Order: sequence, then C-alpha cells, then structure tokens
Amino acid sequence: DAGVIQSPRHEVTEMGQEVTLRCKPISGHNSLFWYRQTMMRGLELLIYFNNNVPIDDSGMPEDRFSAKMPNASFSTLKIQPSEPRDSAVYFCASSRPGQGQGTEAFFGQGTRLTVV
Amino acid sequence: ELKVEQNPLFLSMQEGKNYTIYCNYSTTSDRLYWYRQDPGKSLESLFVLLSNGAVKQEGRLMASLDTKARLSTLHITAAVHDLSATYFCAVDMKQEYGNKLVFGAGTILRVKS
Repeated sequence: DAGVIQSPRHEVTEMGQEVTLRCKPISGHNSLFWYRQTMMRGLELLIYFNNNVPIDDSGMPEDRFSAKMPNASFSTLKIQPSEPRDSAVYFCASSRPGQGQGTEAFFGQGTRLTVV
Repeated sequence: ELKVEQNPLFLSMQEGKNYTIYCNYSTTSDRLYWYRQDPGKSLESLFVLLSNGAVKQEGRLMASLDTKARLSTLHITAAVHDLSATYFCAVDMKQEYGNKLVFGAGTILRVKS
C-alpha cells in the first residue's frame, strides 16, 4: 500500500481564499483523523471519522473549517475563508481499530499551508 | 477531557548517555503509542503498547506502560546522533462510537557528539 496520501504537499494562498486539503487513507482503514501542527499549539486533533461518519469535531477551531468523508477512500478539509493564523501543517492519518494494534494511526506526509 | 503531558519538552544529551522521556495522562486508558518525527517530516509509529506492563524494545529505545500510574516511559540507551528527532506519545481515548488519539506536546531530542 502507498500509505496515506495527502494533496497538495504545499499550498500558499491569500487571506480570504478558500482552501481544500485532500486525503486518501490506507485501503481497509476505517478511521480517519485530521490533525493540525503548529509550533505554538503542537499537534491538535481537528476531527475524526469512523466508517465515514464524523465522530468528534470538537477540535475544529471555528465555522470556517469543515471536513467531509464522502466515501471510505477520500476525505477533504476545507477552510473558507482562510486567515493567516490558519498557517500550519495539516496531517491526515488513518487506522484500523480492533485489528490487534489498537488505534495505531499512520500519517500522511502533511500539507504545509501558508496564508498570506 | 484527556490531557497528555510529556517531559522534558527539550532534551539535549551527549552521545553514549542514557535518558528517559516521560508521558503522563489524565484519564483511564490502556493503550498508548510512541511516534517519532524528523524535522519537516511526518510522524512515524515507533511503539504500540496495549496493556498494563507492556514493554517494547527496538534498538536503543525501550518503551513501557503502567496504566495504574497512567505513565509511559521511553528510555534511551547509549544515545547516538541518529536518534535526534521529536518524540510524541499518544493516548487512545475510547468514545461511544470510536477511539481518538490525543498527543502530548512532544519532546525534542538533540544528541550531541
């Protein structure tokens, strides 16, 4: 398997623009996590899905952020409108709970977002 | 709310020395994970600890879990430069319809030759 695939790897956008980040989880994994990493706040869980259903979105910072998982092989995280404080690395991770390794999550390479 | 605390947050050590990174968490869980992150890279799974008393070793790193004390340790033996990275612990928090992983702040390890 190619692992968790995220796109784009880098995104530079102007304040106020819409940004969409994409993630393809590992085939067969039924949990998907979106994390945000910054120097100030570390690694924050934004939202996670189980069997394509959002389970906990309490980490989503505000209404400008939304996430979807229309099927088992694709998820998006959208920011609209984007602001400079959204600049961070966004990671997607997937896992297959109950298969003997707990919720061990495998991470994608991340999307480095810069909002200017 | 589950809180996961690591200490130290920054560790500078000489090659050949031993040291331990600690991970404390605030609510009941019997599953904990250690990850490594190199600068500019993603997170790589190191250890999966799934029960009280679990101990895993890989090379110069050994991880253990004490669920009663809500404590995990990552012990470094005879450090080498290649171990320089940021190490995270993550605790598995069971919710009604799923499990979420809550990460500590990370420990930046620098091994000096």
